[in-house]
Amino acid sequence: DGGITQSPKYLFRKEGQNVTLSCEQNLNHDAMYWYRQDPGQGLRLIYYSQIVNDFQKGDIAEGYSVSREKKESFPLTVTSAQKNPTAFYLCASSILEGSYNSPLHFGNGTRLTVT
Amino acid sequence: KQEVTQIPAALSVPEGENLVLNCSFTDSAIYNLQWFRQDPGKGLTSLLLIQSSQREQTSGRLNASLDKSSGRSTLYIAASQPGDSATYLCAAPLGSGNTPLVFGKGTRLSVIA
Repeated sequence: DGGITQSPKYLFRKEGQNVTLSCEQNLNHDAMYWYRQDPGQGLRLIYYSQIVNDFQKGDIAEGYSVSREKKESFPLTVTSAQKNPTAFYLCASSILEGSYNSPLHFGNGTRLTVT
Repeated sequence: KQEVTQIPAALSVPEGENLVLNCSFTDSAIYNLQWFRQDPGKGLTSLLLIQSSQREQTSGRLNASLDKSSGRSTLYIAASQPGDSATYLCAAPLGSGNTPLVFGKGTRLSVIA
């Protein structure tokens, strides 16, 4: 089955530690995205990538880093510089069709708790 | 900068009722808009993508409309069922072209049997 896999589903870390969230897709999608969701809030864009070895910052990139070494993989590292890392993290992907958005496909998310 | 607002934040209806969820956006230079469903603790599922040229899109009991000139979209759910209970989010592109989506905060729908 094609889809987006995020792992792990739950992640617990101590404050001051870096942590990497995995996102893998087998949909052959060009673009991949990381969003953060807090209770009662909409999704906020952290980083996105439209091509391998290239990525752009979203609205809340501070304290996060990403890489796109392979088309199917877009891991997100939450660094110790991120002041409020506890949140629900969602990875998404889409086809790039000229100038038009195509439907966005989401993984099931990783819930990160930092204490 | 694109901003997306959804009203109401929460809605509770009896089973069988027809309902409308509202979404407004500030930058109308968009080619399309998307509606998603999110179940608790899960990722988002794409429901409908409306192109600006279409103005309306239907899938089963769902119908979404798009009015760029007024910066509004609506999601109409016919004959609601308890299984429709979820949070519904709309999202509009950041700008023209193939840009990331900006999301509203969602409308949490409860359909009571």
